[in-house]
This record gives sequence, C-alpha cells and structure tokens, in this order.
Amino acid sequence: EDQVTQSPEALRLQEGESSSLNCSYTVSGLRGLFWYRQDPGKGPEFLFTLYSAGEEKEKERLKATLTKKESFLHITAPKPEDSATYLCAVFISNDYKLSFGAGTTVTVRA
Amino acid sequence: SAVISQKPSRDICQRGTSLTIQCQVDSQVTMMFWYRQQPGQSLTLIATANQGSEATYESGFVIDKFPISRPNLTFSTLTVSNMSPEDSSIYLCSVVETGGGTEAFFGQGTRLTVV
Repeated sequence: EDQVTQSPEALRLQEGESSSLNCSYTVSGLRGLFWYRQDPGKGPEFLFTLYSAGEEKEKERLKATLTKKESFLHITAPKPEDSATYLCAVFISNDYKLSFGAGTTVTVRA
Repeated sequence: SAVISQKPSRDICQRGTSLTIQCQVDSQVTMMFWYRQQPGQSLTLIATANQGSEATYESGFVIDKFPISRPNLTFSTLTVSNMSPEDSSIYLCSVVETGGGTEAFFGQGTRLTVV
C-alpha cells in the first residue's frame, strides 16, 4: 500500500511564478515528515522536518506546511536554481526507517 | 549536521563481479541506513546497518546479495554481490540524528552501472 503520494509528478514554472507541491500520507501516528531536494546525480539534500499538524517551516523561497493528511511545499517566486526533484518522506516505524514518495520534478524557466 | 562521505562516487562494473561501497560519517551516529534509487525511481530502503550485529534487511533484500558491515559508529560498507544489469542504481548511505529535532541526512550516493 502507498504510504506517501506526491503530486504532481512534474511541474514547469516560469521564473517568479509561485506554486505548491503536495505530499499526502497514510501512516498512523506520524513521527516526522521530511522534505528533500535532489539534484541530478546527487544525494537528497535535507530541507525540513515537520512533526505535527499546523506546523510550518521556511527556508529562503520554500515553505513547508503540514496537516493531518498531507503536507505542502510552497515555492514562492522561484528562480531557475530551484529546479530539482523534491522528495517527501515519512518515518514508517519506531526505528527511523523512511518511506519516500516518488517525487515532484520542478523545472523553472528564466 | 552530520557530513557523510561515500566512496566510490560512481563505478562501471562487469556482471558477476562485486563492488563494496564505503560510507564514512564525521561524527558518531547510532542509526545508519542503506537505500537504493533505481533509474527514474524514488528511494527504497535496503537495510539498517547495526553496529556490532548483523544488518536488518527489508523485504526483497538479502544478506547474500547485499552484505553490510558496521564495525563502529562512524563507518559502514555495503557490498553489491554477483552483480547483474538490474543492480544498476544509485546506492545511498543515510544517518538519522535526533538531538533537538529529528533530521535524516544522505551521502552523495554511488552511481553503479553494471554492464
């Protein structure tokens, strides 16, 4: 069963065009939801951990929010350097194993 | 935050051979994991690398194919044995830190191509 579902699969934005990525999850007793950025050929770069509904975290043009069923990654006024695949993951057990979504590939055109 | 170094960063190997990937962390960590990312796919957990005991493998992964060592709290190796083209993937080492908040960090990965 899918525990983490990301949408859309791909997102093409014009520079400055704000948008949001979605991550829905089905695990019970959420112990942490993670957002990562991954550039081609590189390992995932940690962005945020969210723990409870209502929590928000920001980093530069990125803002992550969390509800009881999903998380959003908002990209405000994106720049071409924000182009990457954004991955969402949750802990699936008490031993810190991560289950990942398929990712959203964001392309920002100048 | 932990800094993770993986070696090699990439390799091209002949089928039937084995490759050992090293993961070095700049601090002592309890929780260390190995993931695989197949081409165009997301990450899948292979195993938990336990210090001083046998690794714990996820469904679909076995010790004979992916032996793991964890001799101390800063180092681990993953071997991909008797390789076939289907093993062509990126292999990633990860650690989890829980001081303050919980953060999970990844190495840069090892891109393996089996020919």
